[in-house]
Amino acid sequence: DTGVSQDPRHKITKRGQNVTFRCDPISEHNRLYWYRQTLGQGPEFLTYFQNEAQLEKSRLLSDRFSAERPKGSFSTLEIQRTEQGDSAMYLCASSLWGRSSGANVLTFGAGSRLTVL
Amino acid sequence: KQEVTQIPAALSVPEGENLVLNCSFTDSAIYNLQWFRQDPGKGLTSLLLIQSSQREQTSGRLNASLDKSSGRSTLYIAASQPGDSATYLCAVQKSQGGSEKLVFGKGTKLTVNP
Repeated sequence: DTGVSQDPRHKITKRGQNVTFRCDPISEHNRLYWYRQTLGQGPEFLTYFQNEAQLEKSRLLSDRFSAERPKGSFSTLEIQRTEQGDSAMYLCASSLWGRSSGANVLTFGAGSRLTVL
Repeated sequence: KQEVTQIPAALSVPEGENLVLNCSFTDSAIYNLQWFRQDPGKGLTSLLLIQSSQREQTSGRLNASLDKSSGRSTLYIAASQPGDSATYLCAVQKSQGGSEKLVFGKGTKLTVNP
């Protein structure tokens, strides 16, 4: 188990381009979360999945953002028509949730840093 | 709307000192509170999780307390070391059955000088 993996670690793109980030959670974890963190701020919740179902989306997730988790394994976060305000660290986390699994402790990945020029 | 505030924003201490980081939240209807550590350019590492029914949790040199009624938590670090230098983030989760999201504070940047 290598933890939560995110790819790419850093993406530089021009305004208006589309970008996609991938997250590979810990294999037995059924929940997967996406957060966004800008400089000097704490992470802000974007969305989460339980298995393949997207159960909650933040109002921060505008129609230019789409997240998927096909087959309940890895997840992708796509940002269309990027804007400079999208520049941030995109963090993925996973957890094993269930009545018998105790507290829902999230394990975070190292993040994917997006710079929009 | 839940708001989480962390004081101080930055703290610099000499090695060996005991220190306290503070976290306050506006809505006491929380399910749990977590403390995380974040190293520069890295993701978050969970340090301690306190359920709403608990008052404190301990792990090694770290002790976190929770006073839900007053909306406060503290993270106590004993005998600080240079390796403790990082940003410490506090996050709360709303009551079970509500939103699954964690609401984070902006963090306290800790520097422990050798």
